[in-house]
Amino acid sequence: QSALTQPASVSGSPGQSITISCTGTSSDVGSYNLVSWYQQHPGKAPKLMIYEVSKRPSGVSNRFSGSKSGNTASLTISGLQAEDEADYYCCSYAGSSTTVVFGGGTKLTVL
Amino acid sequence: QVQLVQSGAEVKKPGSSVKVSCKASGGTFSSYAISWVRQAPGQGLEWMGGIIPIFGTANYAQKFQGRVTITTDESTSTAYMELSSLRSEDTAVYYCARGGELLRLDYFDYWGQGTLVTVSS
Repeated sequence: QSALTQPASVSGSPGQSITISCTGTSSDVGSYNLVSWYQQHPGKAPKLMIYEVSKRPSGVSNRFSGSKSGNTASLTISGLQAEDEADYYCCSYAGSSTTVVFGGGTKLTVL
Repeated sequence: QVQLVQSGAEVKKPGSSVKVSCKASGGTFSSYAISWVRQAPGQGLEWMGGIIPIFGTANYAQKFQGRVTITTDESTSTAYMELSSLRSEDTAVYYCARGGELLRLDYFDYWGQGTLVTVSS
């Protein structure tokens, strides 16, 4: 069982916006502004999309944004495009003993 | 440009060990953490542990404590992950990933291409 809870799947039409939630606890998401998000296409390595809750690495589209409230972090993708169809994983720092935990992943389908 | 190049696929017997390498190029090796993340077929990502070469001490996920060893060789900018007492459930793609900033272990900006480890009798 994954430490962070994500919906198994979400879907949206091109041009629409979708939000993926990532629920943790007061020991991980709730305690640290150190949530990151990764996009993974089939057969490929994950790609960093968001770090420190809402920061975008250079080269990542501003259609991707992140936020956090309490123990739940969220990834929002606006203006959905066909190439956004992929699996998305959240990740949180969880303190020096546990260190890092991932969510179970969410499959995004662009209809 | 930073690149992480991993060793090739492995097929192992149950009970044996596997050692996967991850050679870094294009950046400063010693001060960036290297983590190992695995993905079983059709499953999600799972953090196994990480190490900051300049400190030399690894942190491991509780699930893998006692079974995984992560080391580095600064002379060749290479990180290693050794997993022992292999069982069929360890069949997965194993990725190395670099920490996003100096001394940071909480997010990963560069990833290796992955190494498939198959455990089968």
